[in-house]
Amino acid sequence: QVKLLQSGAELVKPGASVKLSCKTSGFTFSTSYMSWLKQVPGPSIEWIGWIYAGDGGTNYNQKFKGKATLTVDKSSSTAYLDLSSLTSEDAAVYFCARGWGVMDAWGQGASVTVSS
Amino acid sequence: DVQMTQSPSYLAASPGESVSISCKASKSIATYLAWYQEKPGKANKLLIYSGSTLQSGTPSRFSGSGSGTDFTLTIRSLEPEDFTVYYCQHYNEYPRTFGGGTKLELK
Repeated sequence: QVKLLQSGAELVKPGASVKLSCKTSGFTFSTSYMSWLKQVPGPSIEWIGWIYAGDGGTNYNQKFKGKATLTVDKSSSTAYLDLSSLTSEDAAVYFCARGWGVMDAWGQGASVTVSS
Repeated sequence: DVQMTQSPSYLAASPGESVSISCKASKSIATYLAWYQEKPGKANKLLIYSGSTLQSGTPSRFSGSGSGTDFTLTIRSLEPEDFTVYYCQHYNEYPRTFGGGTKLELK
């Protein structure tokens, strides 16, 4: 079955970067779109963007341009989210999900805490 | 950006009852609307897409309706496992945006 397994919780210092992973199985990754989302208590979910695993093409939410970078490794069917220059406002749970519009499978989420 | 407004934010009901959750878009999104279910410790689950199409595996007690700016998720004959959080999300344009969520609680 379709599985999206995300990397674990991260504690990072302000100004640092973090790279989250999302290892997939059970479907053809190389022809899939993978989205990333941010959830903060409120609750509120924000769409960060998607990447097409076939050619690495991306579409970002303008709000996250310069903050987030999406990449994939087709050889391991894994999607990545790089977050740079972290501040307290980046503290959240980040999700990967399959799809570019409707997201029909989700990872379990990865918590990012930003603290010195 | 399209603003998605869900109501109510909290809803109390009992097993066996029926409930409805509203989702209003700030502009027309045709039927490009999805509903998701969030449960602690589990991956979010797609329930409905295209406003009213049940995702494979979604129980038939769930239904979605609406088009344009007004949408409704209805759950008939509530089961114990239905008491959790629900979100709507549009995918008519970029950026995709979500409603603020509705927490369905046991009365």
